[in-house]
Amino acid sequence: DGGITQSPKYLFRKEGQNVTLSCEQNLNHDAMYWYRQDPGQGLRLIYYSQIVNDFQKGDIAEGYSVSREKKESFPLTVTSAQKNPTAFYLCASTLETTNTEAFFGQGTRLTVV
Amino acid sequence: QQQVKQSPQSLIVQKGGISIINCAYENTAFDYFPWYQQFPGKGPALLIAIRPDVSEKKEGRFTISFNKSAKQFSLHIMDSQPGDSATYFCAASLYNQGGKLIFGQGTELSVKP
Repeated sequence: DGGITQSPKYLFRKEGQNVTLSCEQNLNHDAMYWYRQDPGQGLRLIYYSQIVNDFQKGDIAEGYSVSREKKESFPLTVTSAQKNPTAFYLCASTLETTNTEAFFGQGTRLTVV
Repeated sequence: QQQVKQSPQSLIVQKGGISIINCAYENTAFDYFPWYQQFPGKGPALLIAIRPDVSEKKEGRFTISFNKSAKQFSLHIMDSQPGDSATYFCAASLYNQGGKLIFGQGTELSVKP
C-alpha cells in the first residue's frame, strides 16, 4: 500500500536529549513537510523540502533540524534547544509543490519526561 | 496576514442535522482552500477542497461554500452521522506552495445519536 510511514508512534525523551523522528513515503512525491500539532491548535509548519538535498524553514523551525538525502525519506530531529517539544508531529507529502493534495502520516507523539 | 481563523472551536449536532464550520482568511493571494478531517490519534485526511474561482463545491454530504469578497469559506455537513465525529481543519495555501498549508485552529465535532 502506498502512503507515509512515521515511526515510532510514541516517543519519550528526557530533557537535554536529541531525538529523531522518522518519515518515509512510497508515493514518489517530490515535496515533504513536517508539522507540529498542539492541543486545541491547528497544525504549524516546521520544515519542508521540495527536492532532495534542499529544505526550507517553516514558521516554527527553531530547535528542529531535518535532512533530505533520499526522495522517500525526511527525518526530523528535535534538539535539546527546542524549549517545549511535547507535541504530536505529523509528516506530509505532496506530488508537486503546486496546490495538490497533502497526504499525512499517522503521526508521532513525543513526550518529554 | 497569513492567518486562517476557524470557528466554532467545538460543535455538538444531533444525528441527521447540519454541521456548519466557518473559516476566515486575510491573504487575498491564497488560492487553494482544503478541509481536513482528523480522528483521534490519526493524521489528517483531505475531505474536500475548493479554489476561489467557484462559489460552491459539493461532494456527497460535504459542501464548501466560498465567499471571495468576504474572504470566508465554510464547510457544511448534511445529514450528520456519529461517524462524522472528528476534528475538522480548514486550511489555505498559495500557488506553488501546495503542501505548505496555513491551518485554522480546528473544530471538534460531536454528532449525538
